[in-house]
Amino acid sequence: QVQLVESGGGVVQSGRSLRLSCAASGFTLYSHGMHWVRQAPGKGLEWVAIIWYDGSNRNYSESVRGRFTISRDTSRNTLYLQMNNLRAEDTAVYYCARDGGTELDYWGQGTLVTVSS
Amino acid sequence: EIVLTQSPGTLSLSPGERATLSCRASQSVSSSYLAWYQQKPGQAPRLLIYGASSRAPGIPDRFSGSGSGTDFTLTISRLEPEDFAVYYCHQYGSPYTFGQGTKLEIK
Repeated sequence: QVQLVESGGGVVQSGRSLRLSCAASGFTLYSHGMHWVRQAPGKGLEWVAIIWYDGSNRNYSESVRGRFTISRDTSRNTLYLQMNNLRAEDTAVYYCARDGGTELDYWGQGTLVTVSS
Repeated sequence: EIVLTQSPGTLSLSPGERATLSCRASQSVSSSYLAWYQQKPGQAPRLLIYGASSRAPGIPDRFSGSGSGTDFTLTISRLEPEDFAVYYCHQYGSPYTFGQGTKLEIK
């Protein structure tokens, strides 16, 4: 069955970097696009980034463009989110989610990133 | 960017009642690209409805979706205790956006 497991979250100082991982199983990353979605404490869902199924294109929300980079390692079947120059407003639970073509059909359990000033 | 506005913000109902949740888009959305998710406290969102009206695998038939253009609706025909949660609509299209959520609480 499809499973997504995020890791790499933690407490980091403002301005520093962090890399999140999302290990996928039950399917291969080169058959599906993948997203990162975040949720600040007590708030709603905010889309962050997408990498297309073939890795040919990536897109980002305005709030993270130029600071965050989405990538993948198909040999490890793992998705990544490199987060640089972190700000307090980046504090959130970060979810990876599989692109189902017209929706996000499977989600990981999330990993919490806390940016301290 | 397409803005999705959900109403009401909070809906208070009793088990067995019917719930109607609304999602209005700032511009027309293809029905193929409108989805609904359920999120319970401490859990990840779960896909309920895709393509505006198709239930995801394993979703009970008391959940139904409808609508087109700028107005979409999620209906829960007869509320079960496990249905009390937050519901988000979502439009699939760059930039991908979510509504702010409707909290369905027990009355």
